[in-house]
Amino acid sequence: DVKVTQSSRYLVKRTGEKVFLECVQDMDHENMFWYRQDPGLGLRLIYFSYDVKMKEKGDIPEGYSVSREKKERFSLILESASTNQTSMYLCASSSAGSGRSVETQYFGPGTRLLVL
Amino acid sequence: QKEVEQDPGPLSVPEGAIVSLNCTYSNSAFQYFMWYRQYSRKGPELLMYTYSSGNKEDGRFTAQVDKSSKYISLFIRDSQPSDSATYLCAMRNTGGFKTIFGAGTRLFVKA
Repeated sequence: DVKVTQSSRYLVKRTGEKVFLECVQDMDHENMFWYRQDPGLGLRLIYFSYDVKMKEKGDIPEGYSVSREKKERFSLILESASTNQTSMYLCASSSAGSGRSVETQYFGPGTRLLVL
Repeated sequence: QKEVEQDPGPLSVPEGAIVSLNCTYSNSAFQYFMWYRQYSRKGPELLMYTYSSGNKEDGRFTAQVDKSSKYISLFIRDSQPSDSATYLCAMRNTGGFKTIFGAGTRLFVKA
C-alpha cells in the first residue's frame, strides 16, 4: 500500500517562529510537492522537487523554502511564521513519468498549522 | 480570473440521486483532466482522469470533458452516503509538471 506520511497532523506556532514540516514517501517517487489548501482557493502549489536537491517554485513560494536531501523526504520550512500562513499543508509525491501522461499524485493526510 | 473555477457548494442530495459536479477552465492547453476525492481529515486521492475530450466511465462514476466549451463534469449515479466528500477537479498540460486544482465541491449524500 502506497504511503505518504507527514510529521504532524496539527501544529500550533507563534508568529516569527521557524517551522519545519516533514514529508516522507515510501514509493521511490522522483517528484514531491508541497501544497497549501485554503477554503475557496483549493490547492495551491508552494514548491515541487523532481530529484534530490532539485526544486522549483510553485505559485506561492514567498515565505517558504524547501529541502530535499534524500529521495524519500521533502521538507517545507516557514522561515518566520506569520498568521497568514495558517492553513492546511499537503504533501504529495508522484513518479517521474514522461510528462505525457497522468502520473497519479499520492497525498499525505495533511498538517493543519495554526500561527498565533 | 482563476484558471479553474469550481462551485464550492455544499451540495446536499438524497441517497440514490444522480450527482453532477462541474468545473470550467480558461487555459485551452490543458489536456489531462482529473477528479480527486477528499474525505474529511484526509488527503485527496485520484478518482479518475481523462485525456482530451470525451467520456470515461468507472462503475458509478462518469467523467466528461467538453474542450470546445472548456467544461468538465463528474457524474455519480446511485449516490451513497459513503460518497460524501469534497471533489476537486484538476488539470494540466501535456509535458508539464504543474497540476491546477479547482477549489473543490463539498458533497453530502443523506441516507
